[in-house]
Amino acid sequence: GENVEQHPSTLSVQEGDSAVIKCTYSDSASNYFPWYKQELGKRPQLIIDIRSNVGEKKDQRIAVTLNKTAKHFSLHITETQPEDSAVYFCAASSGGGGNKLTFGTGTQLKVEL
Amino acid sequence: DTGVSQNPRHKITKRGQNVTFRCDPISEHNRLYWYRQTLGQGPEFLTYFQNEAQLEKSRLLSDRFSAERPKGSFSTLEIQRTEQGDSAMYLCASGYPGPGELFFGEGSRLTVL
Repeated sequence: GENVEQHPSTLSVQEGDSAVIKCTYSDSASNYFPWYKQELGKRPQLIIDIRSNVGEKKDQRIAVTLNKTAKHFSLHITETQPEDSAVYFCAASSGGGGNKLTFGTGTQLKVEL
Repeated sequence: DTGVSQNPRHKITKRGQNVTFRCDPISEHNRLYWYRQTLGQGPEFLTYFQNEAQLEKSRLLSDRFSAERPKGSFSTLEIQRTEQGDSAMYLCASGYPGPGELFFGEGSRLTVL
């Protein structure tokens, strides 16, 4: 089955700096890669996703890049703000098995003033 | 609120008791997923339904766990003879067929004493 690894597990940045979180996946059939943000005690919420026919996608301060050959994808947050502080999870789906998502272990991002 | 709802939000039980959680998905979604999340980890897939059919169960799901979605709408997850290792957040999510966003509920937190 799919295995997703995520690094780093914790990340502390100064407000206004950029943050980068990296994930690798094992199943070459995976074709959908979402990123979820989870605030303490809250549900995971999708912030951005990318499909395997696209190399990069941007949405305001957030971007995701995908390298299918190397089987890794990354989340980039620019001009970080305190409200970006949360746990971020990457995930991958192969489309088979009901499109279930396999999640990484999460990155605790702390944006310091 | 037309999002995914779960109840109860919190359940404290003694080891050996049975517990049941309910999930009401977004009404137009025919896919429903159950995940388990422990502290510091990403959500782990347990099982999923397409309409009323349970199409996949994770190896994580021991035979003490059973899930149903009798009319293709709400779903229940029952844990029999609970163990302390069952303590976790149980998340429900729903979505459309095909790779795409899963919408999560707020979760049901189980504590087994």
